[in-house]
Amino acid sequence: GQQLNQSPQSMFIQEGEDVSMNCTSSSIFNTWLWYKQEPGEGPVLLIALYKAGELTSNGRLTAQFGITRKDSFLNISASIPSDVGIYFCAGSNFGNEKLTFGTGTRLTIIP
Amino acid sequence: DAGITQSPRHKVTETGTPVTLRCHQTENHRYMYWYRQDPGHGLRLIHYSYGVKDTDKGEVSDGYSVSRSKTEDFLLTLESATSSQTSVYFCAIREEGLAGYEQYFGPGTRLTVT
Repeated sequence: GQQLNQSPQSMFIQEGEDVSMNCTSSSIFNTWLWYKQEPGEGPVLLIALYKAGELTSNGRLTAQFGITRKDSFLNISASIPSDVGIYFCAGSNFGNEKLTFGTGTRLTIIP
Repeated sequence: DAGITQSPRHKVTETGTPVTLRCHQTENHRYMYWYRQDPGHGLRLIHYSYGVKDTDKGEVSDGYSVSRSKTEDFLLTLESATSSQTSVYFCAIREEGLAGYEQYFGPGTRLTVT
């Protein structure tokens, strides 16, 4: 099945730094979702995007729905230790009950 | 919190034995999903349900069956477990968001087939 391409695959940053990651698809989507997963837990929905060009924030997290509808971006400002985890993007279209998931970006914070 | 629980949370079983995993939700969601998560493969859809007794296959359905006799429960069965089915299994529900649909996940079941 199709998977979305996420980059980078992993990031090692220092506390306080800003983080940027993106997700690209060969096909368009009407909805983009961003999840975070911590060890031993299920993915948790962070942000949902429904409109091309839309910019949505959730605390220090900001996500954008690309204007081509084939990509999405997630930024984390002023990273803190609890931001550690794997971040997944997912896309879907109206009338399609299924999500297509990205391969994940693993974020590690160096003390 | 979408009110999703999964049981058991951990299970070790032997090759060839049947295994049933349970997903329970408390908020009357119509759509429910079963995924497996493996290193290098991300989340892959096994089966999903769009109502009581209404189910359909996902991309990795071979070796798995599902049943939904009540809105709140979605069961995943491995008829004869194999080592390749060692994985973490997640259940999810679909909920209507502000302008589209969102999926929310349960805590997962770690299954080891020896």
